[in-house]
Amino acid sequence: SQKIEQNSEALNIQEGKTATLTCNYTNYSPAYLQWYRQDPGRGPVFLLLIRENEKEKRKERLKVTFDTTLKQSLFHITASQPADSATYLCAPAYNKLIFGAGTRLAVHP
Amino acid sequence: NAGVTQTPKFRVLKTGQSMTLLCAQDMNHEYMYWYRQDPGMGLRLIHYSVGEGTTAKGEVPDGYNVSRLKKQNFLLGLESAAPSQTSVYFCASRAGAIEQFFGPGTRLTVL
Repeated sequence: SQKIEQNSEALNIQEGKTATLTCNYTNYSPAYLQWYRQDPGRGPVFLLLIRENEKEKRKERLKVTFDTTLKQSLFHITASQPADSATYLCAPAYNKLIFGAGTRLAVHP
Repeated sequence: NAGVTQTPKFRVLKTGQSMTLLCAQDMNHEYMYWYRQDPGMGLRLIHYSVGEGTTAKGEVPDGYNVSRLKKQNFLLGLESAAPSQTSVYFCASRAGAIEQFFGPGTRLTVL
C-alpha cells in the first residue's frame, strides 16, 4: 500500500537558521506533491505544490525539491523565525492526496 | 468570504448515539472532502464528493455516511458512534485547482 514517511520527531532549530524537513513515499508515483502548514487546533493551510517534472519550487523563504528517483521531497525554510513554528504536512498525490503525519518544527529565539 | 466552516466545533457522544457534522463552503467549489486526523497519523480520507448529488468512499469509510444535497454543504453522519471514532474531523474543498481549503475542524469524543 502507499506509504508516506515524515520524521515523527520534532525539529528544533535556532532562529535565523535553515529548517529542512523530509518527506519520503513508497509504492506509488505521484504526479505532484503538496506541502501544508498546520497550527495547533487549526486546519492545514496550503503552502506549495511541486509537479513531477519540476526539480525545485520557491516561494519567498520556502523552497521545495522533488526527487522522483529517490521518492523524496525536501522542504526548506530559510532565515527561520519563531512564527514558522508549526507542523508541516506533505501530501503526494496521484488521483487523490495522501497526507503524511507531519513533522513539528520549533524555531527558538 | 468565510471559506470553509464546520459545525459543531466540539462534541461528546456516548457509544451508540448518532450525530451529523456539517461542512459549508462559500467558494463555489465542486470538490469536497471529509478527513479524520488521529495522533501520529496523517489525515485519512473518509468520503469525498466531486459535485452536488455525488459522493464516493475514501480510505476509511466504514461507520460513516455522507450527503451532498447542495453544492455548498457536505454532511458527515455517524449512525452509531463507537470509541474508535474519537478523532478530529476536517472538511476541505477545492475548485479545479489543486489546493485544498480546510475548515477549522470538529473535535469528537465518543465515550
